[in-house]
Amino acid sequence: DAGITQSPRHKVTETGTPVTLRCHQTENHRYMYWYRQDPGHGLRLIHYSYGVKDTDKGEVSDGYSVSRSKTEDFLLTLESATSSQTSVYFCAIRDRVNEKLFFGSGTQLSVL
Amino acid sequence: QQQVKQSPQSLIVQKGGISIINCAYENTAFDYFPWYQQFPGKGPALLIAINPDVSEKKEGRFTISFNKSAKQFSLHIMDSQPGDSATYFCAAGTGGGNKLTFGTGTQLKVEL
Repeated sequence: DAGITQSPRHKVTETGTPVTLRCHQTENHRYMYWYRQDPGHGLRLIHYSYGVKDTDKGEVSDGYSVSRSKTEDFLLTLESATSSQTSVYFCAIRDRVNEKLFFGSGTQLSVL
Repeated sequence: QQQVKQSPQSLIVQKGGISIINCAYENTAFDYFPWYQQFPGKGPALLIAINPDVSEKKEGRFTISFNKSAKQFSLHIMDSQPGDSATYFCAAGTGGGNKLTFGTGTQLKVEL
């Protein structure tokens, strides 16, 4: 699992509430990513980080923000959750040695 | 804008048969083409990857065929087994696993 831990694994929330998902890695990788997975869309990049406090937008960044105050933690925040953000969220790291992308186990988020 | 198109959406193959999944891309800057395998409730796992310098790469029963001029690549699973039943995603990117663009996925079922 490339030392990636996502929390929580499942979450149910209501429309309009803030939600924060956490990704924790133990192997000091520089690059971290947040993807969402939806039927018919595959995996789509939300935001990514290339170092502490260095982040950038991906393909579907509207409604999401991220923060990376430490190398090991990459947080994804939905400021005001909407039903369209019901999805499975995956964190990934790019291995600093072989540059390959490895995924965590995912967070199933339901916004009611 | 979908930059990586994947087909078929679903596939049923008999045990021992060959499974073939196809992908086409648009961005000629892509130089890294991985395939991921995903089981229910798990994150995608890197299966095999190729770069444009070669036309084919084989790892065990899994082979990637790459056609640079046609901007297409495919995954062949030889001697398909029930344990290969999973969802497969192709992807494309530049600079290794950075900011990968994924196809929409193929659900493979291998029947006895």
